[in-house]
Amino acid sequence: AQSVTQLDSHVSVSEGTPVLLRCNYSSSYSPSLFWYVQHPNKGLQLLLKYTSAATLVKGINGFEAEFKKSETSFHLTKPSAHMSDAAEYFCVVSDLMNYGGSQGNLIFGKGTKLSVKP
Amino acid sequence: DAMVIQNPRYQVTQFGKPVTLSCSQTLNHNVMYWYQQKSSQAPKLLFHYYDKDFNNEADTPDNFQSRRPNTSFCFLDIRSPGLGDAAMYLCATSYQAGTESPLHFGNGTRLTVT
Repeated sequence: AQSVTQLDSHVSVSEGTPVLLRCNYSSSYSPSLFWYVQHPNKGLQLLLKYTSAATLVKGINGFEAEFKKSETSFHLTKPSAHMSDAAEYFCVVSDLMNYGGSQGNLIFGKGTKLSVKP
Repeated sequence: DAMVIQNPRYQVTQFGKPVTLSCSQTLNHNVMYWYQQKSSQAPKLLFHYYDKDFNNEADTPDNFQSRRPNTSFCFLDIRSPGLGDAAMYLCATSYQAGTESPLHFGNGTRLTVT
């Protein structure tokens, strides 16, 4: 069965310092992986996705993530945090083995809340 | 801009009083989803439509129903809201149902049950 674990429920960084949000997954087949961001009282917005092309994926707002199959990880990084990056981040995995025409195979992590201090 | 629009942004209903939340999309996507998100939790899929085909998640209560009269609109009906149904309800769309098709979310409707 597939699963996704976001290792930190809360990460706090200072503005201008690097951001690392960790995500590990388990998947029986070739997964697609996504990072979504949710600002307060808003819907989720896609930051980036991995779908078996390049292992280093660049997303919006300066974020990127690297797919490491050997470590079953898909950590999200950004070189320099902005105050506007403060939000909740969700790692999501989707697995071909469980695909049956349903998006019910999307598994969400529990989320990591990112705080950015001035 | 193409988008997913949810109305209203905030909805207050009374315990047991039916309520309908609406979602519209200008993306012309085939798939529309309803998620329930409680405070500090990940979104939980309630059901989705692939075109006109309705797909209910196994653990979605019977109290929740959905309608999709056309490609652009989808409704969430809560027949008898309980206090436990207070949550943010998110509508999302995707071009195809499949592992590579990302979701496009609306801004949600926050439901309060009094």
